[in-house]
Amino acid sequence: EVQLVESGGGLIQPGGSLRLSCAASGFTVSRTYMTWVRQAPGKGLEWVAVIYSGGNTDYADSVKGRFTISRDSLKNTLFLQMNSLRAEDTAMYYCARQIQNYGDYYFDYWGQGTLLTVSS
Amino acid sequence: SYVLTQPPSVSVAPGKTARITCGDDNIGTKSVHWYQQKPGQAPVLVVYDDSDRPSGIPERFSGSNSGNTATLTISRVEAGDEADYYCQVWDPTSDHPNVFGTGTKVTVL
Repeated sequence: EVQLVESGGGLIQPGGSLRLSCAASGFTVSRTYMTWVRQAPGKGLEWVAVIYSGGNTDYADSVKGRFTISRDSLKNTLFLQMNSLRAEDTAMYYCARQIQNYGDYYFDYWGQGTLLTVSS
Repeated sequence: SYVLTQPPSVSVAPGKTARITCGDDNIGTKSVHWYQQKPGQAPVLVVYDDSDRPSGIPERFSGSNSGNTATLTISRVEAGDEADYYCQVWDPTSDHPNVFGTGTKVTVL
């Protein structure tokens, strides 16, 4: 059974750093695309970052240069290192598996989310 | 990057049909995926590749895509269908390939 369990969220001051984790089971994270998606309170879904099966990464413009997505194959875990945090980064952060179907990609499994609050 | 246009809200009576649109230039040339998100919960995939349903999703959920509009249709709406719905496409020609819709709140009257 596929499961994704996020952790690491919390209250952090502006300018601070935090690392989110997403422990996966039932599949191998290094063999698929893995993504972070966030949702600010009362707002819609916003794609944040993806790490491709080959290891390349891509980031939304809003977080590029501040966030780093990575994975640990031994722990089968996805990470999101977040630096220089801003109030506008406050959101629920979801990790999601992104699978391929005939050259197209969609999110078939999501974690339950971890909440980040950036405030002084 | 860009976002896909959805109506902010759709209201429907129980037993009736709800239609949620997702608009973009030539979206018919892309595959559209739909997610349901109930309050306090993570999104759940309800339709992928325009019109396919994952296992466990009722046949009442269906999708179509043509021209500049993709549509998620919920037939015989139930109270439990009240949720936010998001469309998504994978667009490798864009600056960033993952694109979400603005989201639609479905209210069951």
